[in-house]
Amino acid sequence: EADIYQTPRYLVIGTGKKITLECSQTMGHDKMYWYQQDPGMELHLIHYSYGVNSTEKGDLSSESTVSRIRTEHFPLTLESARPSHTSQYLCASSAPGQGYNEQFFGPGTRLTVL
Amino acid sequence: EDQVTQSPEALRLQEGESSSLNCSYTVSGLRGLFWYRQDPGKGPEFLFTLYSAGEEKEKERLKATLTKKESFLHITAPKPEDSATYLCAVREESNDYKLSFGAGTTVTVRA
Repeated sequence: EADIYQTPRYLVIGTGKKITLECSQTMGHDKMYWYQQDPGMELHLIHYSYGVNSTEKGDLSSESTVSRIRTEHFPLTLESARPSHTSQYLCASSAPGQGYNEQFFGPGTRLTVL
Repeated sequence: EDQVTQSPEALRLQEGESSSLNCSYTVSGLRGLFWYRQDPGKGPEFLFTLYSAGEEKEKERLKATLTKKESFLHITAPKPEDSATYLCAVREESNDYKLSFGAGTTVTVRA
């Protein structure tokens, strides 16, 4: 069973606040990903990382930033939250087995910006 | 341009009523097609990977098949616990480790 954790699970915050969504995995996976998902819509990749000190932007433009200082930790930060950032944020990781094909997902953080 | 299209958007089944979900994809070179299950308020859970046309994978009441243009997820004699949103995703040969997801099919199985 995948061991990937996200905190908080739910967050309601006012406009202009700085927030950090946490993601940790205990599987030693080198690849990690952040997706954004709105209700009934596709998951969109917003950031990914090949390993420590590696971060790349995904297909969907996002005002968030990420960092990868440790293998197990991949936090996402919004410097100034806006209502347009309201969404579900999903973190995932993958390992070299089978060519990184299987991505393990965390439970998600549902963010509401008022 | 949509790479992955899933149909139908929603499917309501009676317990034991078998059915199929469709995933149509448009990529220049397919590196893999993936099926995930997502329960409300949770992250997607991996089900299958298919690599080439003609390939089939099975898990309990679920069977996934692949052609050159689409994949089907067959649900045989479903039970209420099979109720979930089923997501399809593809990985192109030109994209490093990135998956493109469809919007999903929400399946509701009534007892």
